[in-house]
Amino acid sequence: KQEVTQIPAALSVPEGENLVLNCSFTDSAIYNLQWFRQDPGKGLTSLLLIQSSQREQTSGRLNASLDKSSGRSTLYIAASQPGDSATYLCAVRFSGSARQLTFGSGTQLTVLP
Amino acid sequence: SAVISQKPSRDICQRGTSLTIQCQVDSQVTMMFWYRQQPGQSLTLIATANQGSEATYESGFVIDKFPISRPNLTFSTLTVSNMSPEDSSIYLCSVDGTPRADTQYFGPGTRLTVL
Repeated sequence: KQEVTQIPAALSVPEGENLVLNCSFTDSAIYNLQWFRQDPGKGLTSLLLIQSSQREQTSGRLNASLDKSSGRSTLYIAASQPGDSATYLCAVRFSGSARQLTFGSGTQLTVLP
Repeated sequence: SAVISQKPSRDICQRGTSLTIQCQVDSQVTMMFWYRQQPGQSLTLIATANQGSEATYESGFVIDKFPISRPNLTFSTLTVSNMSPEDSSIYLCSVDGTPRADTQYFGPGTRLTVL
């Protein structure tokens, strides 16, 4: 069964710290991997998309890496801010999955001022 | 990126009733997806809706409970039928993005509470 796991489930850090969120997936045959942000009671905002042929993507203070062979991705957030507080979701489009995404359970991040 | 709107944004419904959720996209898209997010959980795909054909449902979801319409390339509806408290969730529609078809974009969600 194709599954996506995120660790930790929750993380609390002081403002200014750099942090890493982890995502693992059970099948290395992926098409791409996408990181989302979800604020409480809201929809999802796409942060970064990594194609299976890529190793990393960067957007501002965010950097996402992909190691397909080990079934892992990380989201690195530099110089965290209270406004970064949200739930971060990792989603994988597995090869042959007809374009739908399989989501991890998310990491709830709190950045303390 | 695609701009997606959903109606209603939230609703409180009585057990046994039905609610239809609308999803509108600002551009034509081939595939639209409906997800459910139960309280404290991640997203689970309900079905994939293509224009001009019947929706494809994931395991555990059936058309009688979650009928879907897709009358054109910018619009879809999801109905939650004969609701029970277990249907209380956020329901989200999503589309493959334009111009990057690989990126999936999500609507703001419909928060449903069933009493």
